[in-house]
Amino acid sequence: NAGVMQNPRHLVRRRGQEARLRCSPMKGHSHVYWYRQLPEEGLKFMVYLQKENIIDESGMPKERFSAEFPKEGPSILRIQQVVRGDSAAYFCASSHQNQVEQPQHFGDGTRLSIL
Amino acid sequence: DQQVKQNSPSLSVQEGRISILNCDYTNSMFDYFLWYKKYPAEGPTFLISISSIKDKNEDGRFTVFLNKSAKHLSLHIVPSQPGDSAVYFCAARCTLNIKAAGNKLTFGGGTRVLVKP
Repeated sequence: NAGVMQNPRHLVRRRGQEARLRCSPMKGHSHVYWYRQLPEEGLKFMVYLQKENIIDESGMPKERFSAEFPKEGPSILRIQQVVRGDSAAYFCASSHQNQVEQPQHFGDGTRLSIL
Repeated sequence: DQQVKQNSPSLSVQEGRISILNCDYTNSMFDYFLWYKKYPAEGPTFLISISSIKDKNEDGRFTVFLNKSAKHLSLHIVPSQPGDSAVYFCAARCTLNIKAAGNKLTFGGGTRVLVKP
């Protein structure tokens, strides 16, 4: 399966714990995007990364959230000291370099539940 | 500030008939538009897109129309099939500044389509 792979599919955390969400882009894709979807809402952009660089983090909350896309390995979205409001579906997407009119391809998401 | 709006949260249509989904946007910098389809517990799947230099793009049963002056686009599905039952999201991007903010997608809230057999 050459699609965008996200894991885990479901993650349960207690308030105050850390959540780590992983995303492996499609083969050949070097651009990664993270989106969050609250129940009954559309997807909201969080952060756009290329290898070892954060390009646009305008949608990321200023505190507790961080993202990285290292030279080797998957992209990681990290949420520290989780709160109930962090419960959502987190989707990762990837696209090919410099293809303006190519769509972003999405993974199946990680559903984060905070107890 | 919701820059992309899908004002119909749900739509019910008979199998074989046409489904028309609407989307409005406010940001005149948007120049590329996409429609995604989403089943429960899955990620959005790309359906069709249109650049602002066009007013229509067709792919099989799916046609997207763009009215730039009205800042409105629509997706037509004909004929509708039961497998089309899903949530449909309209998304927009500004491609001018592709290195930075031009890559992010701004999504509408979605329209849930139910195709009845």
